[in-house]
Amino acid sequence: SQTIHQWPATLVQPVGSPLSLECTVEGTSNPNLYWYRQAAGRGLQLLFYSVGIGQISSEVPQNLSASRPQDRQFILSSKKLLLSDSGFYLCAWSVGLQSGYTFGSGTRLTVV
Amino acid sequence: QKEVEQDPGPLSVPEGAIVSLNCTYSNSAFQYFMWYRQYSRKGPELLMYTYSSGNKEDGRFTAQVDKSSKYISLFIRDSQPSDSATYLCATRSNTGKLIFGQGTTLQVKP
Repeated sequence: SQTIHQWPATLVQPVGSPLSLECTVEGTSNPNLYWYRQAAGRGLQLLFYSVGIGQISSEVPQNLSASRPQDRQFILSSKKLLLSDSGFYLCAWSVGLQSGYTFGSGTRLTVV
Repeated sequence: QKEVEQDPGPLSVPEGAIVSLNCTYSNSAFQYFMWYRQYSRKGPELLMYTYSSGNKEDGRFTAQVDKSSKYISLFIRDSQPSDSATYLCATRSNTGKLIFGQGTTLQVKP
């Protein structure tokens, strides 16, 4: 069966520090991968999506970047975190254009 | 105008009540509609998936799509405290990406 792993679950980082969040998917090949951010009391904001290795599309200009070094691995990074980067980060995957998304358990990032 | 609009609530109901959650969308070309449930501090999980107009039932949950009015609904019968969560509607855009509503927070009181 397909599973998605996202870690860490919780992270507290100082302003200006780097960030690396990792997401891996098991049990499927060539998934579409997504990074979302959910701020408190707000909806899901699509940050990046990828339809294949090395292919990254950015939805919102920001302090973050994404990479897909392997078919089932998606990484969200930042060189220098800002306070405004705090939020709940969710990785998701889908296959094809007619399926829903399956989300990971999320990483709660607090920048202090 | 947002592509998908959803009243954020919160919505509070007594246990056993029928709950109605609603969203509107702007693009009549949208065909696929979903409802996700998100418990506090967890990722959203797919609850219902419907195509085009009509109803879909799964246990106590019924998803309804009215394309003529661009309105989607989720009904929960015999609501339970375990149904307390945030419910997000979503639709698939022409590019294949999902567009989410803001989410409605539901509390079912024992």
